[in-house]
Amino acid sequence: DQQVKQNSPSLSVQEGRISILNCDYTNSMFDYFLWYKKYPAEGPTFLISISSIKDKNEDGRFTVFLNKSAKHLSLHIVPSQPGDSAVYFCAASAVSWGKLQFGAGTQVVVTP
Amino acid sequence: DSGVTQTPKHLITATGQRVTLRCSPRSGDLSVYWYQQSLDQGLQFLIQYYNGEERAKGNILERFSAQQFPDLHSELNLSSLELGDSALYFCASSAGGAETQYFGPGTRLLVL
Repeated sequence: DQQVKQNSPSLSVQEGRISILNCDYTNSMFDYFLWYKKYPAEGPTFLISISSIKDKNEDGRFTVFLNKSAKHLSLHIVPSQPGDSAVYFCAASAVSWGKLQFGAGTQVVVTP
Repeated sequence: DSGVTQTPKHLITATGQRVTLRCSPRSGDLSVYWYQQSLDQGLQFLIQYYNGEERAKGNILERFSAQQFPDLHSELNLSSLELGDSALYFCASSAGGAETQYFGPGTRLLVL
């Protein structure tokens, strides 16, 4: 049962433009959402998170938007840089759980 | 560098064997989580320990077990290994409950 879904397996974007990654979830118990970036042969690196009491969180070039009614979140990267080329995972958790449920990931390629 | 360390980085073994993967959490973190990433599955939660006690269990096989020691490092034991156990195994740590989890570099297990 895939409770966190990233429906776009890949995304190609030009350097300097905006990257928008999407994530949908089905479990209304989730109240904490995170984005991780992963390079091959490395562990996931935490990027940004958002609590369900907020609808937006910003950290430098990264902004996460949460739409609870639609059970949807998105990650915006502006401007995109070549070093952003990686797999991005959306993850969700509930306060009472601790464990993270991950989406399948989106491969982002930033082209010059 | 997330501050989470995992050893070994690579492990090659044969079917039927037993291996132990080791994880040291970030300084001050009490929770340790184990995840498995295989080719056809995303990151799957296996088990969580908090301050030495098992806190949550995911899709962990009975052939797999884990423990967290008084110094808070954790070990994941995989026994009667099968070809399908070949995967990346990640350890993550957090301060306590459902906060941000920080991942180690992973152990790549290959069962031949």
